[in-house]
Amino acid sequence: GDSVTQMEGPVTLSEEAFLTINCTYTATGYPSLFWYVQYPGEGLQLLLKATKADDKGSNKGFEATYRKETTSFHLEKGSVQVSDSAVYFCALNPGAGGGNKLTFGTGTQLKVEL
Amino acid sequence: GAVVSQHPSRVICKSGTSVKIECRSLDFQATTMFWYRQFPKKSLMLMATSNEGSKATYEQGVEKDKFLINHASLTLSTLTVTSAHPEDSSFYICSPKGTSGLREETQYFGPGTRLLVL
Repeated sequence: GDSVTQMEGPVTLSEEAFLTINCTYTATGYPSLFWYVQYPGEGLQLLLKATKADDKGSNKGFEATYRKETTSFHLEKGSVQVSDSAVYFCALNPGAGGGNKLTFGTGTQLKVEL
Repeated sequence: GAVVSQHPSRVICKSGTSVKIECRSLDFQATTMFWYRQFPKKSLMLMATSNEGSKATYEQGVEKDKFLINHASLTLSTLTVTSAHPEDSSFYICSPKGTSGLREETQYFGPGTRLLVL
């Protein structure tokens, strides 16, 4: 079945450091890929997405590129802020053929310190 | 983004009692509702999917008689954990999917309900 693997946290960085959170997936066909962010006490929010190979999703300084050859969708940000502290979830949606159901990774907690 | 509320945010109950969790989409119509369960340091696990006015479809291994889902309207869905036991203690998250105005169909997430069964 479909699966998503992401790096374990917590990841602790200093403000303005470069961030990478790795995500790889296993799926048949051509899934859409997502990054969700969960701030303390809030629900998951869509951060960015990519629907086909080589697409780059971007939002709020975060980027991720859909790499079919490496089945990866790593999240990056050039300069993190304390306000980026949250839990980040990588997810895939296999599309209509797979029931249009999201499969999530385990989440990676990011802590950004001054 | 859309607003999704869950109530209660936290509940503690005795073993054998039933607990109802409400999920409301406040500014859009949820044609589909997903209910997830999340264990510590684990990913979200899909429990069931329901469409407004229809019976829910449960994932393999999820007891439909234990986790009752009602999706009676486009803005309200409930999950009732019947005869709760300590192993039902978990974090439950609703996720309505729908459209608001001319925007494309989007899946949103509630803030979750922490259930502790003693």
